[in-house]
Amino acid sequence: ILNVEQSPQSLHVQEGDSTNFTCSFPSSNFYALHWYRWETAKSPEALFVMTLNGDEKKKGRISATLNTKEGYSYLYIKGSQPEDSATYLCASIGLTNAGKSTFGDGTTLTVKP
Amino acid sequence: DGGITQSPKYLFRKEGQNVTLSCEQNLNHDAMYWYRQDPGQGLRLIYYSQIVNDFQKGDIAEGYSVSREKKESFPLTVTSAQKNPTAFYLCASSIAKNIQYFGAGTRLSVL
Repeated sequence: ILNVEQSPQSLHVQEGDSTNFTCSFPSSNFYALHWYRWETAKSPEALFVMTLNGDEKKKGRISATLNTKEGYSYLYIKGSQPEDSATYLCASIGLTNAGKSTFGDGTTLTVKP
Repeated sequence: DGGITQSPKYLFRKEGQNVTLSCEQNLNHDAMYWYRQDPGQGLRLIYYSQIVNDFQKGDIAEGYSVSREKKESFPLTVTSAQKNPTAFYLCASSIAKNIQYFGAGTRLSVL
């Protein structure tokens, strides 16, 4: 994988459903993976910084895992709420390209009440 | 409050005109970035700067120029050479390779 790819592109779930989406990134030259949440009419905000293979981070109902050997990260949301509706972006940072982040196109989550 | 300020929020460009988007931060971050977002797409890097008086081209630098004369400021000029400038522009800053903090964005349209 040369670019950062996110799937699915969009997701519609009912309130209370649990959901997950994927970020695939180049496994060579890996330094870190960042997850961001971007709500409508707001700026993107960081959710997680992931650096080590096997990392698992959690913030409330949202958690993320990291597999650097195969180049993917999962974001999980347990018991989705309408306020979770947003676009979730992942960004891969390489070892050799300074602070440059390569972003995926995002997964847009809509949670219906 | 600490943060990143982008201005203006909306900007209109006439054909053949250069326009400059402002980005100011008071977070004392060394690194600053400019991204472009088109409908249905993610963030694409235009330019980034790791330190004052230094900057590098990102993935889509053609038709854009930047300067970094002060740590706090990283203005982006959309030149007349950029034939499709209509997009949403986001500025961000960070400490080295750490998470980025974003401004509220500028929406640029062509008259």
